[in-house]
Amino acid sequence: AQSVTQLGSHVSVSEGALVLLRCNYSSSVPPYLFWYVQYPNQGLQLLLKYTTGATLVKGINGFEAEFKKSETSFHLTKPSAHMSDAAEYFCAVSDKGGGATNKLIFGTGTLLAVQP
Amino acid sequence: ETGVTQSPTHLIKTRGQQVTLRCSSQSGHNTVSWYQQALGQGPQFIFQYYREEENGRGNFPPRFSGLQFPNYSSELNVNALELDDSALYLCASSPGAGQVYTGELFFGEGSRLTVL
Repeated sequence: AQSVTQLGSHVSVSEGALVLLRCNYSSSVPPYLFWYVQYPNQGLQLLLKYTTGATLVKGINGFEAEFKKSETSFHLTKPSAHMSDAAEYFCAVSDKGGGATNKLIFGTGTLLAVQP
Repeated sequence: ETGVTQSPTHLIKTRGQQVTLRCSSQSGHNTVSWYQQALGQGPQFIFQYYREEENGRGNFPPRFSGLQFPNYSSELNVNALELDDSALYLCASSPGAGQVYTGELFFGEGSRLTVL
């Protein structure tokens, strides 16, 4: 069964600093991987996704993530944090078309704080 | 393109009552999923509907039930509410079988349920 582990429930960085949010997954089949962002009192917005092909994927708002099969990781990075990046970030793995169900399994989330 | 919309945005119920939450899928999507997000947690899959049939279910009791209508909109019903049902309920739509599979889900802003 698929699972996702996000290391660090809270991460704090200074404005302009590198953002690194960690995600490790477990999957019995080649995974589809996602990062979603959730601002307070809002739903989830897709940042980026990996399905097949290039292992470095770029998303919105300057975020990118690299799929590393050997490490079963899909860490999210951004070179320079902005105050507007403060939010909760969720990593998710998809049951890639298993049966007819398109289900995402989410990690417990990482709350990113950006200090001025 | 119309996104996923949910109603109501907030509601308060008491233990033992019943609640119905509503969702309109993104245009062109024929599959709807429901997720429960408890405070401080990642979303948990409740179930998915495709062609008006439930075609996948997470670890939720039968008092959680749903419907999908011919226009692909959906309802989530919860009977005999318990305090632990307090959560943000997220609806997500996606292209289903017969459409291009991307694994990605498109989320609404959620309905926040408080059970007293």
